[in-house]
Amino acid sequence: QKEVEQDPGPLSVPEGAIVSLNCTYSNSAFQYFMWYRQYSRKGPELLMYTYSSGNKEDGRFTAQVDKSSKYISLFIRDSQPSDSATYLCAIVGAGSYQLTFGKGTKLSVIP
Amino acid sequence: SQTIHQWPATLVQPVGSPLSLECTVEGTSNPNLYWYRQAAGRGLQLLFYSVGIGQISSEVPQNLSASRPQDRQFILSSKKLLLSDSGFYLCAWSIQRTTDTQYFGPGTRLTVL
Repeated sequence: QKEVEQDPGPLSVPEGAIVSLNCTYSNSAFQYFMWYRQYSRKGPELLMYTYSSGNKEDGRFTAQVDKSSKYISLFIRDSQPSDSATYLCAIVGAGSYQLTFGKGTKLSVIP
Repeated sequence: SQTIHQWPATLVQPVGSPLSLECTVEGTSNPNLYWYRQAAGRGLQLLFYSVGIGQISSEVPQNLSASRPQDRQFILSSKKLLLSDSGFYLCAWSIQRTTDTQYFGPGTRLTVL
């Protein structure tokens, strides 16, 4: 079983829709959770960072962590065409330098 | 604010040729530095990381090497490129502490022919 599983999509939604992106992980030692957004041919940029179970909100973005289920989600409200990108989850354990990334979900928001 | 630079942005090289990719970080001191490769359908693979000048840790055995000659400079090299070295190479930095977020550069797209 891979350490981090992420559905690669592609996911296509109409403008204004609520988007749900998800990752599951297998190692309960993972304690820190991040979401990155990567536009085509660009480097990933950090969107959200959280370390506790529950929700963290930042504008239209909400990161949700359920440690008991080893499941993390990113919700995008009122999606915009500019949200079209690949979204990567990244997870790291305490005391580790190494982020473990999901393979990314490609999202297209159609005007 | 911190800025990370990578160059070149795009590179096409023949098999067997040498490689040198450079990464520099501005606006911070003593960062952790990382080299990743992103291949289509395979996600981000950590290649090397460094916690200080001259300190390099390799995560994956391969024909690539890394060096950190200055505090905010990280170089990825190869003596002889293979076809399988093609990919998108990303440099990242984090503050000098584990489990912190990493910030990525714009990347170098390498094609080996």
